[in-house]
Amino acid sequence: DAMVIQNPRYQVTQFGKPVTLSCSQTLNHNVMYWYQQKSSQAPKLLFHYYDKDFNNEADTPDNFQSRRPNTSFCFLDIRSPGLGDAAMYLCATTQLAGETQYFGPGTRLLVL
Amino acid sequence: SQQGEEDPQALSIQEGENATMNCSYKTSINNLQWYRQNSGRGLVHLILIRSNEREKHSGRLRVTLDTSKKSSSLLITASRAADTASYFCATEENFGNEKLTFGTGTRLTIIP
Repeated sequence: DAMVIQNPRYQVTQFGKPVTLSCSQTLNHNVMYWYQQKSSQAPKLLFHYYDKDFNNEADTPDNFQSRRPNTSFCFLDIRSPGLGDAAMYLCATTQLAGETQYFGPGTRLLVL
Repeated sequence: SQQGEEDPQALSIQEGENATMNCSYKTSINNLQWYRQNSGRGLVHLILIRSNEREKHSGRLRVTLDTSKKSSSLLITASRAADTASYFCATEENFGNEKLTFGTGTRLTIIP
């Protein structure tokens, strides 16, 4: 089935050690989003790509970077994870911006 | 932030009863969407209602939208244990900025 896949589902990293989370989609959607979600909170948009155009949210820390090498894949790089970066990271896609988003299962990041 | 507010924050009802949750938002919108999130998982799209629509149904779900009051409600009829989840509203603001703004969420618990 067409879907949004996130790997790994759980990621443990050490304070300050770079980590990369990946997202892939078989929906051939133009738009891909990365959200951060902390416990009992709403998803918070970090950035999104419309095709190759990168759109960063104003309050996304510089510590967070993203790459989209092709339509199917998008990566979230956290250059120096802090304890406050422990969260669920959600990837989502949509064909038409502002319309229904299709979410992956998320990657839960733990920072030790 | 244009984040919406959801009410109540948490709701517990007996199986078979109806559950109603409300969402308020701050800006003019193109559409409003409802998503469900099971614990530790990604979000699943439930229903989308456009700004020129007042009510929409999908199975046991009924969504209303009042743009004059900037509010929406989600009604789940004949609730089941499997409906236990967090429910988020999300709005697309009407100047086409390619993203959704999520509400704070309602945690629904169905008691068997």
